[in-house]
Amino acid sequence: DAGVTQSPTHLIKTRGQQVTLRCSPISGHKSVSWYQQVLGQGPQFIFQYYEKEERGRGNFPDRFSARQFPNYSSELNVNALLLGDSALYLCASSLQGTNGNTIYFGEGSWLTVV
Amino acid sequence: GENVEQHPSTLSVQEGDSAVIKCTYSDSASNYFPWYKQELGKGPQLIIDIRSNVGEKKDQRIAVTLNKTAKHFSLHITETQPEDSAVYFCAAYNTGNQFYFGTGTSLTVIP
Repeated sequence: DAGVTQSPTHLIKTRGQQVTLRCSPISGHKSVSWYQQVLGQGPQFIFQYYEKEERGRGNFPDRFSARQFPNYSSELNVNALLLGDSALYLCASSLQGTNGNTIYFGEGSWLTVV
Repeated sequence: GENVEQHPSTLSVQEGDSAVIKCTYSDSASNYFPWYKQELGKGPQLIIDIRSNVGEKKDQRIAVTLNKTAKHFSLHITETQPEDSAVYFCAAYNTGNQFYFGTGTSLTVIP
């Protein structure tokens, strides 16, 4: 069975540009969460979506936005990129909301901002 | 919000020895505690988890213990093998639909 799939795996952007990252959850999972992992740190929560609605938002600026589609896939958008946005962006899926449900991560999208 | 602290940040053990990683959390409302293993260049992989109504859980060479009163939980790996070398993260979940992660422990198993 396919796990959580993310694309692209690596990308390089210039300061001020915009980026869109994509995620497909495990088949049957209806919830998607996004996390940012800076080198040497644990993942930090950005968003959680369940049944196409935002159910949680972490402490990130409004430059970060996301959405979930009818097929439960998701996109994370980051506008006006800063050097500090360079990180591994992880998508995680769970059966329902994350209310005590196990989340499974994809391999991530490595974003480098130059 | 929740604050999860993880120790040690690095750990080296001889193959066959045991490894213990400890985490503390601040919010007594947290009720679910997973552990993830992250290999270089990959996403975190769930290895074991425990809920607040359980004190200990085992899965072959891996075990997790939870002390709700003291608000800490630990990962125990016995009979370590070189393939156990990775970064391990603890996490805590409470309300708010988010997980709070520790800062990670880099485990090296020396053959």
